Amino acid sequence: AQSVTQLDSHVSVSEGTPVLLRCNYSSSYSPSLFWYVQHPNKGLQLLLKYTSAATLVKGINGFEAEFKKSETSFHLTKPSAHMSDAAEYFCVVSDALGGGKLIFGQGTELSVKP
Amino acid sequence: DVKVTQSSRYLVKRTGEKVFLECVQDMDHENMFWYRQDPGLGLRLIYFSYDVKMKEKGDIPEGYSVSREKKERFSLILESASTNQTSMYLCAHREGNEKLFFGSGTQLSVL
Repeated sequence: AQSVTQLDSHVSVSEGTPVLLRCNYSSSYSPSLFWYVQHPNKGLQLLLKYTSAATLVKGINGFEAEFKKSETSFHLTKPSAHMSDAAEYFCVVSDALGGGKLIFGQGTELSVKP
Repeated sequence: DVKVTQSSRYLVKRTGEKVFLECVQDMDHENMFWYRQDPGLGLRLIYFSYDVKMKEKGDIPEGYSVSREKKERFSLILESASTNQTSMYLCAHREGNEKLFFGSGTQLSVL
């Protein structure tokens, strides 16, 4: 069965510094991986997705993630944090054997200090 | 614009009541999902459906049931609401392996 673990429940960075949100997954077969963001009192928005094409995936708002099969990781990064990046981020895994259902991580809350 | 409509934004019910949460999508997608979101636990899958009259249990189906009589509508039912079912409920749908489209959620409080 597939699962996903977000290694940090809360990450705090200063504006203009890099962001790293860590995610490890477990999946029997080639997974599809996603990052979603949820701003306070807003719906969930897709940041980016990996579906077995290029291992480095670029998303919206300057975010990117790298799929590393050997490490079973899909960490989310951004070179320079902006105040508007403060939100909760979810790493998500889906595989064909799971019937297309998506399994969410527990979430990482990102705080950005001025 | 894509629309995923959940019937209520906020709902307050009493223990033991039967609760219906409705979800309607306008994209003719086959796959629909019900999640609950709780602080520190992320989103947990309750039930999902691939087609009309078809349903599959997710990770936490206990205390819930679903109904999919029409392709566009996926209902979540709490047969006898309990306080531990107080949560934010999110409906979503997708086509194949594409992204999920989420509704705005229903915050259910069971007193």
